[in-house]
This record gives sequence, C-alpha cells and structure tokens, in this order.
Amino acid sequence: QKEVEQNSGPLSVPEGAIASLNCTYSDRGSQSFFWYRQYSGKSPELIMFIYSNGDKEDGRFTAQLNKASQYVSLLIRDSQPSDSATYLCAVNGDYKLSFGAGTTVTVRA
Amino acid sequence: EPEVTQTPSHQVTQMGQEVILRCVPISNHLYFYWYRQILGQKVEFLVSFYNNEISEKSEIFDDQFSVERPDGSNFTLKIRSTKLEDSAMYFCASTPGAREREQFFGPGTRLTVL
Repeated sequence: QKEVEQNSGPLSVPEGAIASLNCTYSDRGSQSFFWYRQYSGKSPELIMFIYSNGDKEDGRFTAQLNKASQYVSLLIRDSQPSDSATYLCAVNGDYKLSFGAGTTVTVRA
Repeated sequence: EPEVTQTPSHQVTQMGQEVILRCVPISNHLYFYWYRQILGQKVEFLVSFYNNEISEKSEIFDDQFSVERPDGSNFTLKIRSTKLEDSAMYFCASTPGAREREQFFGPGTRLTVL
C-alpha cells in the first residue's frame, strides 16, 4: 500500500505571509509528484508538479522535492484569501495517483 | 483551454439501481481514470484505462463496477447495483502521453444513494 502523509492542519496564516505545506510518501520508486488545490465541493485543481530533486517555482508557489528523504513540500508566498482551500499532495506510480488526506489552509485577511 | 467534462453533476438513485456516470476527457489525452471521494475523506483511485482496456484497478473497483469507452470521446463508469456506501463524488481524470504526467480532473459527479 503506497502511503502519502500530509501535515494534518488546519493551517491558518495572515494575508501576505508564507504558507508551508509538507508531504511524505512511502514508495521510494515514485517518480512524479503533484500538488492540487481543492475548494469545498469542487474537484482537485493542479497547481504544481515536480519530477526532479530541488525546487520548482511558479509564480507565488514553490514546490520542493527530496527523493532521498521521500519528502515533498509546497510554499505559498504572499498568501491571499483566495488561497484558502485544501491542498492535496499526490504521488504518481503504476497508472494511478495516490493522494494524501490534504491540509486545509485558511488565509486571514 | 480544454477541460474534462462530466455529466450529470448530481445523480440521486435508489439502492440497488444501476447508474452510469459519463465523462468526456480532453481530446488528445490517452490515459483515463476514475477516482472517488467520500465526503470528508481523501481522494481514492478506482481505475485507470488505456488503449481500450483497464490498466489498473483498486480493491474498491469490484464486480459491481465497470468502465467503457463506447466511442472516441466518452468514458463511462457504471455501477451495477448501487449501495449506500457508494455515495460520493466521482471524478474523471485524463493524462496526455505518458502515464507519469499530470492528471487533469473533471468537475465531478455527486452520487447520492438513498
């Protein structure tokens, strides 16, 4: 069973601050890693993907991958109220995504 | 921008009835998936489909479930005899090219079994 664990949250941050989300995975052979954002009652929306060790930046989002530690993280800089959502870490392997339970982020105005 | 579409958005059915959930993946995508999310729980993989056959399925995807790509655009999930515990959001997703690539999700169908 491939496990994906996320810090439980909820995470509350003030507007303009950095939100830091963490994720660990159990399958050392996993090759691709994704962060999805899910608003209540909606479907997962892809915001970042990362395949190689190191950092990947896209606008206010930075994904970090450390395969040796089996660890993926997401930083949201200059957090906005519209970033309030549940963030899902997902790991790809063998024709499917395995999702974590998600971390709910609330950005306080 | 191309999107995955799903119909209906909400389906209410009686226990024991058959339901068919429909999806239109993004047109040039090759891999197709169904996931479900019970209220308050994590997104769970059901089945993946490539080249007109199932690539992988989870323990949830038992004999009551089936998938089909009846034509060049639709991808369907059938639940033969629904149970109360089948009540969930069902998401279709698709991937271009390689199976390791990012998956794009449709808006989901909320299935309520009474």
